[in-house]
Amino acid sequence: DTGVSQDPRHKITKRGQNVTFRCDPISEHNRLYWYRQTLGQGPEFLTYFQNEAQLEKSRLLSDRFSAERPKGSFSTLEIQRTEQGDSAMYLCASSFGDKYGYTFGSGTRLTVV
Amino acid sequence: GNSVTQMEGPVTLSEEAFLTINCTYTATGYPSLFWYVQYPGEGLQLLLKATKADDKGSNKGFEATYRKETTSFHLEKGSVQVSDSAVYFCALKDDKIIFGKGTRLHILP
Repeated sequence: DTGVSQDPRHKITKRGQNVTFRCDPISEHNRLYWYRQTLGQGPEFLTYFQNEAQLEKSRLLSDRFSAERPKGSFSTLEIQRTEQGDSAMYLCASSFGDKYGYTFGSGTRLTVV
Repeated sequence: GNSVTQMEGPVTLSEEAFLTINCTYTATGYPSLFWYVQYPGEGLQLLLKATKADDKGSNKGFEATYRKETTSFHLEKGSVQVSDSAVYFCALKDDKIIFGKGTRLHILP
């Protein structure tokens, strides 16, 4: 297993367009997390899944954001009608249960122009 | 709600200097505490952790002790190297990990 994979690494999009990111967690990990990190800040929690169930969503996750984990394996994060304020690094992490630390992917850097 | 406060950077030190990065937390329960590190161009990596009061986490010469009485988890290293240059994040975990804003460390040769 090569760890948590995120695709794409970089995305540049025009304001108003929709974008979708993918995360492939470590295969035996049942929990998957999405975070957002802006320049000079720590990662901010967005949402997490246990298997295919989305258990918590931050109020940072406006209705333009949607995340899915349809078969309890990979996850997608979609942003509709992107805004310049959405420009950030989007990080995915996975864990086995809630007793252990997370393994993070390298992130997807989104730039909205 | 739960939160983490860490010293602002950047912190610039000479090689072999002693390092302290302060971190304090606010939590309603007894969270686990972590330090993560982000090297230039790389993802977040777990550096060390402590799961209960008085536990000491250590890795790569770095140490941090879970101090419940002062709600602190300060990161220390006795002799830093140029390769330690990175951004360091203090974090706590109740049902999810909450990060501080990060401290950029720059080590001069």
